[in-house]
Amino acid sequence: DQQVKQNSPSLSVQEGRISILNCDYTNSMFDYFLWYKKYPAEGPTFLISISSIKDKNEDGRFTVFLNKSAKHLSLHIVPSQPGDSAVYFCAASAFKFYFGSGTKLNVKP
Amino acid sequence: NAGVTQTPKFQVLKTGQSMTLQCAQDMNHNSMYWYRQDPGMGLRLIYYSASEGTTDKGEVPNGYNVSRLNKREFSLRLESAAPSQTSVYFCASSEALGELFFGEGSRLTVL
Repeated sequence: DQQVKQNSPSLSVQEGRISILNCDYTNSMFDYFLWYKKYPAEGPTFLISISSIKDKNEDGRFTVFLNKSAKHLSLHIVPSQPGDSAVYFCAASAFKFYFGSGTKLNVKP
Repeated sequence: NAGVTQTPKFQVLKTGQSMTLQCAQDMNHNSMYWYRQDPGMGLRLIYYSASEGTTDKGEVPNGYNVSRLNKREFSLRLESAAPSQTSVYFCASSEALGELFFGEGSRLTVL
């Protein structure tokens, strides 16, 4: 059974608006969470991370929120740009890394 | 900066053939990983190596073997390929529990 789930396979957003990508996990032992971005025919690249001792981490246009009680994390992209169009994977770690199934983001000009 | 290098990038096999995917990293990382990516399944861990000389099974190890040849290299072997192993394979490395650095992927088709 998947320990990390991304229930939205795809998301379409207008340029300049906010993109919100969601991720749920089941294992309370996870203590480190990451978001990766993947373009076609390339390997995933690291975007942003958060430790379980925090509930928010920002890096420029990207913010990750962690709600431990709900076992939920989200990635906010503000403002969204066409170059953000990619597949986004969330991952969680408790010694090993577990990935969700990905959300394909399309930012329309 | 090469980072994580995988070879080959593309391979077509017939059922029952064997092959080895090679991976090398130049970041002096202790940990290395092999993942497979399938549509709707995300990235699933096949095997990992926490340090030179150690290997452990991940979520989907059946049908695969690995070798941590040295600190730089981690290979994945398919002894008898099956159509269910058609996938895109990614090698990754990390320092302890830091972020993973991925290679560009190896697309394998088993007929």
